[in-house]
Amino acid sequence: QQQVKQSPQSLIVQKGGISIINCAYENTAFDYFPWYQQFPGKGPALLIAIRPDVSEKKEGRFTISFNKSAKQFSLHIMDSQPGDSATYFCAVSGTYKYIFGTGTRLKVLA
Amino acid sequence: KAGVTQTPRYLIKTRGQQVTLSCSPISGHRSVSWYQQTPGQGLQFLFEYFSETQRNKGNFPGRFSGRQFSNSRSEMNVSTLELGDSALYLCASSLGTSGNNEQFFGPGTRLTVL
Repeated sequence: QQQVKQSPQSLIVQKGGISIINCAYENTAFDYFPWYQQFPGKGPALLIAIRPDVSEKKEGRFTISFNKSAKQFSLHIMDSQPGDSATYFCAVSGTYKYIFGTGTRLKVLA
Repeated sequence: KAGVTQTPRYLIKTRGQQVTLSCSPISGHRSVSWYQQTPGQGLQFLFEYFSETQRNKGNFPGRFSGRQFSNSRSEMNVSTLELGDSALYLCASSLGTSGNNEQFFGPGTRLTVL
């Protein structure tokens, strides 16, 4: 079964630091790579997404880096804030397929 | 525009019972996907419906079933509940099929099986 491997499982970062979460996938039949953010008691919400024709996408403090040949992509959160404390899920998507990673619980210390 | 709504928000059932969960997608969205979320397992895909047709199904036993109505609302049913079915069940809608599109999630239904 196709899998998405996400690491680390949990992450503690000081306020103002950089949070980095990594994902690796096994199949090349995907062309949409989103990151979702989930707060307790809420459903996940799209944070940022990238398509494989670019290697990097930046939106404010959030950046996706994408390495197509290595089948890896990562989320970088610059100047991490306590309000960023949440669970983050990467996903890979193709036709009728949407596979999520197992999630990373991020805690940003004030 | 109203978001994805799920009812009920919380359910407590006992083993052997069956349960039906409901999802109303964002207006205009034709795709509804269902996921099971448990600690450590992330989001496990159950099935996706588009225009009343099941387009894809995850690796869950036949006790898990679903359907979609002409107004795009969807229901999922779990029969003969087991303790391991305790989880947060999330519904997500998208404008087209889920592939390559943003999914909009509801708040989930928390199912506890005793």
